[in-house]
Amino acid sequence: LAKTTQPISMDSYEGQEVNITCSHNNIATNDYITWYQQFPSQGPRFIIQGYKTKVTNEVASLFIPADRKSSTLSLPRVSLSDTAVYYCLVLSYNTDKLIFGTGTRLQVFP
Amino acid sequence: DVKVTQSSRYLVKRTGEKVFLECVQDMDHENMFWYRQDPGLGLRLIYFSYDVKMKEKGDIPEGYSVSREKKERFSLILESASTNQTSMYLCASRGQDLEPQHFGDGTRLSIL
Repeated sequence: LAKTTQPISMDSYEGQEVNITCSHNNIATNDYITWYQQFPSQGPRFIIQGYKTKVTNEVASLFIPADRKSSTLSLPRVSLSDTAVYYCLVLSYNTDKLIFGTGTRLQVFP
Repeated sequence: DVKVTQSSRYLVKRTGEKVFLECVQDMDHENMFWYRQDPGLGLRLIYFSYDVKMKEKGDIPEGYSVSREKKERFSLILESASTNQTSMYLCASRGQDLEPQHFGDGTRLSIL
């Protein structure tokens, strides 16, 4: 299972774009990259998942370079309600072992 | 949207009690999971199930059992609760391979 490394914390202000980068040097050919968001006393909420290049949905974009050894979660125009912990995970085919690391604690200020 | 519902948000039980945590999902997912989340330890997989009446041990199954009598429901059982089982318990379900797991809001269980 590929280990992931991401910053422990980040600060931002409302309205700014936030980019959280995750490194996963040992990612395997068939692995996917998945991001979750978690608020205090709630379960993790799936944000976005991708394999390569760029994926976009209504809440975020995920950028994955060609070597796939890192990925960047982009949150456009954050608001106070985006204050949460964001986890980057590598999802392997045929295994359900999700390894949530320490995540990135994002604090958004007014 | 996938809906995973855990029966209780907060629960307080006593040492030695048998504790049942219930989880229901509404997406006809075959795969369901139970985790516990503790500060500094992340999420740890307790048990999972790929189908009705099937169960597999995760990383920390000791002191727990599970029941999957119906596809939509996955129950976690603490056979004889102990204080070191005080934790946040999270249930998740998943569809096909490589689809993401979807989590419930968790049950914060305190064992006194």
